[in-house]
Amino acid sequence: SAVISQKPSRDICQRGTSLTIQCQVDSQVTMMFWYRQQPGQSLTLIATANQGSEATYESGFVIDKFPISRPNLTFSTLTVSNMSPEDSSIYLCSVVVGSGVFTDTQYFGPGTRLTVL
Amino acid sequence: AQSVAQPEDQVNVAEGNPLTVKCTYSVSGNPYLFWYVQYPNRGLQFLLKYITGDNLVKGSYGFEAEFNKSQTSFHLKKPSALVSDSALYFCAVRDRLLFSGGYNKLIFGAGTRLAVHP
Repeated sequence: SAVISQKPSRDICQRGTSLTIQCQVDSQVTMMFWYRQQPGQSLTLIATANQGSEATYESGFVIDKFPISRPNLTFSTLTVSNMSPEDSSIYLCSVVVGSGVFTDTQYFGPGTRLTVL
Repeated sequence: AQSVAQPEDQVNVAEGNPLTVKCTYSVSGNPYLFWYVQYPNRGLQFLLKYITGDNLVKGSYGFEAEFNKSQTSFHLKKPSALVSDSALYFCAVRDRLLFSGGYNKLIFGAGTRLAVHP
């Protein structure tokens, strides 16, 4: 498994501002993902962030709104830019641990609960 | 296309009784299947997974799940529920059939809230 930490654990932000969420893993991982969980909803994948390459965004998510950095194999950041109340969600970092694409497991961080006023 | 259905928004069980949380899936190839649990104000915790082999998979906290290929189901079960099992449970699937290389993303169901009453 992997131990994943996220900062901040929660925040309350004003409309129009930006928040950067950090994700730290206790081991080197190649594949890292960012998810959004809106209130009462399931998880939606925002993007896949692999070290050494540009993040790959899912339909409906764009880099200008959710820029991602992946400077090394244990760390990533997700920025929520120009926030609106609709961005109020839990944002979760996830990593793949395992030796191959057919044997691996995804583990999740504790999440960052964002409220935008 | 991949999809996961959790037909029950909520499951209510008395403590000590067996519990079942249902999940059905659809994939193009053969599936990798996962169950995760989310406690209030927490992230997702991995419970168990089915890759291949025995259809009955045992996981954390006494949970198990049965893979049924003919019914395309992967129901989560526990013989005796505890109040502390009350949480939100997510089923997820990933298709083994790789498309255009790379990594097939995990697809989550809508979640089922389990309430275990004393």
